[in-house]
Amino acid sequence: AQRVTQPEKLLSVFKGAPVELKCNYSYSGSPELFWYVQYSRQRLQLLLRHISRESIKGFTADLNKGETSFHLKKPFAQEEDSAMYYCALSGYGGATNKLIFGTGTLLAVQP
Amino acid sequence: DTEVTQTPKHLVMGMTNKKSLKCEQHMGHRAMYWYKQKAKKPPELMFVYSYEKLSINESVPSRFSPECPNSSLLNLHLHALQPEDSALYLCASSPRDSTDTQYFGPGTRLTVL
Repeated sequence: AQRVTQPEKLLSVFKGAPVELKCNYSYSGSPELFWYVQYSRQRLQLLLRHISRESIKGFTADLNKGETSFHLKKPFAQEEDSAMYYCALSGYGGATNKLIFGTGTLLAVQP
Repeated sequence: DTEVTQTPKHLVMGMTNKKSLKCEQHMGHRAMYWYKQKAKKPPELMFVYSYEKLSINESVPSRFSPECPNSSLLNLHLHALQPEDSALYLCASSPRDSTDTQYFGPGTRLTVL
């Protein structure tokens, strides 16, 4: 079965602290992994995807096929990073043509 | 134009009303999606249109009826809704299919009385 697991509903850190939002997946084909972010009162938007290998707003994520993980990391959290983060999965050879979302992690960065 | 637009922003309707939600994109994307999102929950897929044809219906009740009049426009027709259908309805588009980045609209906040 295709599944995305985000074990933390809420992650609270202080400004300047490192952040890691966990994401594990289950997929029978070749996965495409995404992180989407939803800031307060803004639309859901792509933060990054694994094939681009970019660092966006200081965030990075590495696809680890052995551990079936795609954790999101940032070395120094900023208050403006406070938002809901969704890990999502699509791909070839497994699921049909749809994006599967995890349950989301609310990141709260305290001043 | 690199955004997905949705109208109306807010909609309040009674259980006997008929209304429609509209979604538009001018990015030349060939896949369009409707999602339902409840507070503090991830989006739930409802429908996928691929090249203007309905390709996925996630067992959505028939009181929701999608329509894709052309490659830029997506409608969701609503009839005889229930209070539990109150939610944020999101539209999204992507260049070809779900392996591409999806671009989301701001959503329509629907309240069913």
